[in-house]
Amino acid sequence: GAGVSQTPSNKVTEKGKYVELRCDPISGHTALYWYRQSLGQGPEFLIYFQGTGAADDSGLPNDRFFAVRPEGSVSTLKIQRTERGDSAVYLCASSSRHGPGYEQYFGPGTRLTVT
Amino acid sequence: EDQVTQSPEALRLQEGESSSLNCSYTVSGLRGLFWYRQDPGKGPEFLFTLYSAGEEKEKERLKATLTKKESFLHITAPKPEDSATYLCAVQGGAAGGTSYGKLTFGQGTILTVHP
Repeated sequence: GAGVSQTPSNKVTEKGKYVELRCDPISGHTALYWYRQSLGQGPEFLIYFQGTGAADDSGLPNDRFFAVRPEGSVSTLKIQRTERGDSAVYLCASSSRHGPGYEQYFGPGTRLTVT
Repeated sequence: EDQVTQSPEALRLQEGESSSLNCSYTVSGLRGLFWYRQDPGKGPEFLFTLYSAGEEKEKERLKATLTKKESFLHITAPKPEDSATYLCAVQGGAAGGTSYGKLTFGQGTILTVHP
């Protein structure tokens, strides 16, 4: 079946611009996660949603980062006033439920480059 | 704060040369330890979940084990197609807590298997 999809696959933007990254989770998955992965590092947690609400946004680095999931399916990660340090691969994952032991399935990621 | 350290950072093997990857962790209330495989330019692919010390799981040439402080991923008679980055992650926290569900990853072990 269809996995997690993310668009765009690559995004190049200028410093100071606004960007939106989209995630389509696996159909029926209620929990959705965003991670950020820098070169040579493991993914770093940003935020997760259970349904429409953000259950934990403790990983968002600052108030330039914001994410929504208005209908409990598709999610958008929004970054304002981008900085060169925001360059990374942004990964989205979903799981059938929120809680212990439910494996998270990852999308291919969006590679963001801020010039 | 949950922490995961993987070793070695990189491992080169000859085809058929068995070895092990290590994942050391500290976590408040382990809910699950996860192994993922990541190929270049792709998102992490789920391999295993382990829940408690003493548990083992196998899949083809891979076997994951868990103790109270570390996990091992044993690779038996590897093939070149096993070349990838292997990521270990923990999921911890008390039920209903805000950190419940997020994964904390190690930096990964880059495995290269030469024919």
